Amino acid sequence: GAGVSQTPSNKVTEKGKYVELRCDPISGHTALYWYRQSLGQGPEFLIYFQGTGAADDSGLPNDRFFAVRPEGSVSTLKIQRTERGDSAVYLCASSSFDRGPMDYGYTFGSGTRLTVV
Amino acid sequence: AQKITQTQPGMFVQEKEAVTLDCTYDTSDPSYGLFWYKQPSSGEMIFLIYQGSYDQQNATEGRYSLNFQKARKSANLVISASQLGDSAMYFCAMREGGGYQKVTFGTGTKLQVIP
Repeated sequence: GAGVSQTPSNKVTEKGKYVELRCDPISGHTALYWYRQSLGQGPEFLIYFQGTGAADDSGLPNDRFFAVRPEGSVSTLKIQRTERGDSAVYLCASSSFDRGPMDYGYTFGSGTRLTVV
Repeated sequence: AQKITQTQPGMFVQEKEAVTLDCTYDTSDPSYGLFWYKQPSSGEMIFLIYQGSYDQQNATEGRYSLNFQKARKSANLVISASQLGDSAMYFCAMREGGGYQKVTFGTGTKLQVIP
């Protein structure tokens, strides 16, 4: 697609429930990143994929968080047993370094606002 | 230690004036990249400008320029001729190493442009 698409745009869930957040990157972008942004803070790295594999998952806060990218395109961030502290905007970005410096930046999606009540 | 430090939580600038947003960084990797992103109230993150650690000249992109002082580890963003639409949060960020590595963001500066 033309941009990075994230669905849903908003998700309200009850504490303890399971949620899935979806990211559809720019076509052809091999790198895909998940970030989490809490209110008033900068984005915080969670995980990045190079193709189908997770190249760096050091930012996942605990084992309730998991992400997959089975075909090297769409990715799903999965959160089990949600807690109120998981409430944040979850941002997805994709990247390609095929061309010049302007392409060294990520293209972000609009994010999914997750609220755990 | 913080990898990216933005010491200005908020800034005001008069329309049509220039403004500098401060950013210092900390890394021992000789290869790194520095970025600035804009986040309007709508929430999307917009890539503005990039500076590589080996670049000899400061990056420029339209009204945006990056004042890169390597020895001081600073990468300030200069916005010339501010416009009302520049009101937003601005984040400085760094990628250590080359390629696709993760980017670390600062806490941001909220810029408000006054008519």
